[in-house]
Amino acid sequence: DGGITQSPKYLFRKEGQNVTLSCEQNLNHDAMYWYRQDPGQGLRLIYYSQIVNDFQKGDIAEGYSVSREKKESFPLTVTSAQKNPTAFYLCASSIGDRGGEKLFFGSGTQLSVL
Amino acid sequence: DAKTTQPPSMDCAEGRAANLPCNHSTISGNEYVYWYRQIHSQGPQYIIHGLKNNETNEMASLIITEDRKSSTLILPHATLRDTAVYYCVDENTDKLIFGTGTRLQVFP
Repeated sequence: DGGITQSPKYLFRKEGQNVTLSCEQNLNHDAMYWYRQDPGQGLRLIYYSQIVNDFQKGDIAEGYSVSREKKESFPLTVTSAQKNPTAFYLCASSIGDRGGEKLFFGSGTQLSVL
Repeated sequence: DAKTTQPPSMDCAEGRAANLPCNHSTISGNEYVYWYRQIHSQGPQYIIHGLKNNETNEMASLIITEDRKSSTLILPHATLRDTAVYYCVDENTDKLIFGTGTRLQVFP
């Protein structure tokens, strides 16, 4: 089945530790996105990538890093510089053409700080 | 960045039409309007999108005003499974900006 897969579903981070959230898609989509969602809040854009080996900061990129070495993969690293990392993280992908930006979302990763 | 405004919550009786409004105060002439919904602790699900004309699909209808500053998502016969948070989203260059959405509660 085609889709977008996030792992793990639950992740715990210790103080000062970097953690990496995985996002893989087999939809052959060019664009991929990372959003953060806090309880009762909407989605805020962290990073996005329109093409392999290129990515742009979203509204809340500080304390996060990404890479896009392969079309199907867009991992997100939550660094120790992110002081409030506890949140629900959502990865999405789209074809990448303007006017057709229907996003397909993964099922999310809940990150908590120990 | 694009910004949308939605009421924080709405109620709807099962079987009735749910009309969810959205204001798009900063939308530009060539930016699409998208609607998504999110059931608790899941990823958002695409519902419908449009540019200028009204749109309908198997899930919902989308009404966009002539000046494009507001839109309405219509669920013609709401069911209990339609209880979710609904987001209207403006396209902004090459990314979508989500607001805080409307929490729709469908009751029996």
